[in-house]
Amino acid sequence: AQSVTQPDIHITVSEGASLELRCNYSYGATPYLFWYVQSPGQGLQLLLKYFSGDTLVQGIKGFEAEFKRSQSSFNLRKPSVHWSDAAEYFCAVGATSGTYKYIFGTGTRLKVLA
Amino acid sequence: EPEVTQTPSHQVTQMGQEVILRCVPISNHLYFYWYRQILGQKVEFLVSFYNNEISEKSEIFDDQFSVERPDGSNFTLKIRSTKLEDSAMYFCASRLTSGNRNEQFFGPGTRLTVL
Repeated sequence: AQSVTQPDIHITVSEGASLELRCNYSYGATPYLFWYVQSPGQGLQLLLKYFSGDTLVQGIKGFEAEFKRSQSSFNLRKPSVHWSDAAEYFCAVGATSGTYKYIFGTGTRLKVLA
Repeated sequence: EPEVTQTPSHQVTQMGQEVILRCVPISNHLYFYWYRQILGQKVEFLVSFYNNEISEKSEIFDDQFSVERPDGSNFTLKIRSTKLEDSAMYFCASRLTSGNRNEQFFGPGTRLTVL
């Protein structure tokens, strides 16, 4: 069955520190991969996406993610976190056939200390 | 830039009432979706819709739910008799084709509160 695992429910980092949010997926083939950010009570904002090609993907707000096929992972990184990055982050897998639905992970809540 | 819109942004209803959540997908998109996010939880797939019919639905999407594309622009989710547990944020999404790149565009969501 298709699934997405975000093992860290909460992460706290200091402003200016680096960040890595983990995402592992289970899918029969190479899926499409996405990271979204959500502020409380708000909608989903797409940070970055991977379809194929270069496994290091650049996104908005200084985020990047690396697809590692051997580890079935798509971890999100940022070299220096800003207080405004505090939010919930969702990794999602997009099916590559059928209805092309998305499957979301359970999210990681990021807290940033001043 | 074209975007998916949803109305209302917040809907409050009494248990047992019918609600209709409305979405206007991006105009040339062909595939439509509803997702649900209960407060504090992950986003869950509800249903996909293509060529005027449901192409897939999750186990959440029971007989209380229905979807419709009543005209060329709107895509609606109806909950026939709301329950307390239907309280959630509902996201509509649309996609252009079934081509190589599956990217869905999400609306801002409708927060449904069932009292």
